[in-house]
Amino acid sequence: EIVLTQSPTTMAASPGEKVTLTCRASSSVSYMHWYQQRSGASPKLWIYETSKLASGVPNRFSGSGSGTSYSLTINSMETEDAATYYCQQGSSYPNTFGAGTKLELK
Amino acid sequence: EVQLVESGGGLVQPGRSLKLSCVASGFTFSNYGMNWIRQAPGKGLEWVAYISSGSSYIYYAETVKGRFTISRDNAKNTLYLQMTSLRSEDTALYYCARRGAPNYFDYWGQGVMVTVSS
Repeated sequence: EIVLTQSPTTMAASPGEKVTLTCRASSSVSYMHWYQQRSGASPKLWIYETSKLASGVPNRFSGSGSGTSYSLTINSMETEDAATYYCQQGSSYPNTFGAGTKLELK
Repeated sequence: EVQLVESGGGLVQPGRSLKLSCVASGFTFSNYGMNWIRQAPGKGLEWVAYISSGSSYIYYAETVKGRFTISRDNAKNTLYLQMTSLRSEDTALYYCARRGAPNYFDYWGQGVMVTVSS
């Protein structure tokens, strides 16, 4: 099973601040996918195939990485970005998720 | 508009069974693989099971293998999860999710709550 480790576990950012969330895999994966989950809501696909933005995702978001190291970056934090972000690998079964990074507004 | 609507959850005693359903609309259900994913209260996401579009390929998480069965009825646009020998650690919100290629989850339902408790 591929274990995904996300860091930090929680963080707070001020409006306009640049934010980087990381996800490390215990073995190399082909792609990383990211989901946003706001409180009380279902997760939403946010970034797929490492760097492609899902429909409706603002272009202040970006994704990058390869092999075992991936990241999600927000160029300029906005209020609506406060949520929990999960990474997910689909390179092998069982598909696995990271434990999530809770991003709060400072 | 893609919609996934889960049902069948509730309170069940340990050791008992429950069957979840997920009705899909807004897309050609028979063309897509489908998944169940769960989230225990206050916890992260855990993938549970996958079934391919024609039911030829099925995979389970080790935590549910031998107890849960995923199935689908393409004529009814419905995905199922039969859960047996339920344990307290199966308590969670269960989501159905459509498989995007390569292997991510592009649409999610609103979730259905399963509580295993005596």
